[in-house]
Amino acid sequence: DAGVIQSPRHEVTEMGQEVTLRCKPISGHDYLFWYRQTMMRGLELLIYFNNNVPIDDSGMPEDRFSAKMPNASFSTLKIQPSEPRDSAVYFCASSLAGQRGDYGYTFGSGTRLTVV
Amino acid sequence: GIQVEQSPPDLILQEGANSTLRCNFSDSVNNLQWFHQNPWGQLINLFYIPSGTKQNGRLSATTVATERYSLLYISSSQTTDSGVYFCAVDRTGANNLFFGTGTRLTVIP
Repeated sequence: DAGVIQSPRHEVTEMGQEVTLRCKPISGHDYLFWYRQTMMRGLELLIYFNNNVPIDDSGMPEDRFSAKMPNASFSTLKIQPSEPRDSAVYFCASSLAGQRGDYGYTFGSGTRLTVV
Repeated sequence: GIQVEQSPPDLILQEGANSTLRCNFSDSVNNLQWFHQNPWGQLINLFYIPSGTKQNGRLSATTVATERYSLLYISSSQTTDSGVYFCAVDRTGANNLFFGTGTRLTVIP
């Protein structure tokens, strides 16, 4: 398996523009997570899905952020309009629940977003 | 919410030395994992260890759930061990991990 695949790896955009980050989870994993990493706040969970259904979006900072998972192999995180304070590394992760032991929690390589 | 504290925040080791990283958590958990973030930013899952002890090569981990702490041992450290080590916990059973602030390890040759 190629692991969790995120695109793009780097994104530079101007304030006010729409940004879409993409994630392909590991095939067969039924949980998908979006995290954001900054120096000030560390790694924080934004939203997670189970079987393509959003379960908890309490970490989404504000209405400018939205996430979708139209099928088991694809998810997007959208920021509209983007602001400089959204600059961060955004990680996607997937895992398999329902079994004891290693859940196979796997992170993608991240998308480094810079909003100027 | 649950608090996760890691210590020390920074650690510098000579290659070949051993080290112990600590993670304290404020409430009972049903999932605890250790991750390594390498200097290129990639997060790698090291251990799933809500209780007990596990070993994988030069790394081992122990969680004492009743006392709410976990330890990560690194033996015979190598420069490739450098990076940030995170402890992450979940109380809900949904793999909803809450991350500590990490320990930054630098191994010098």
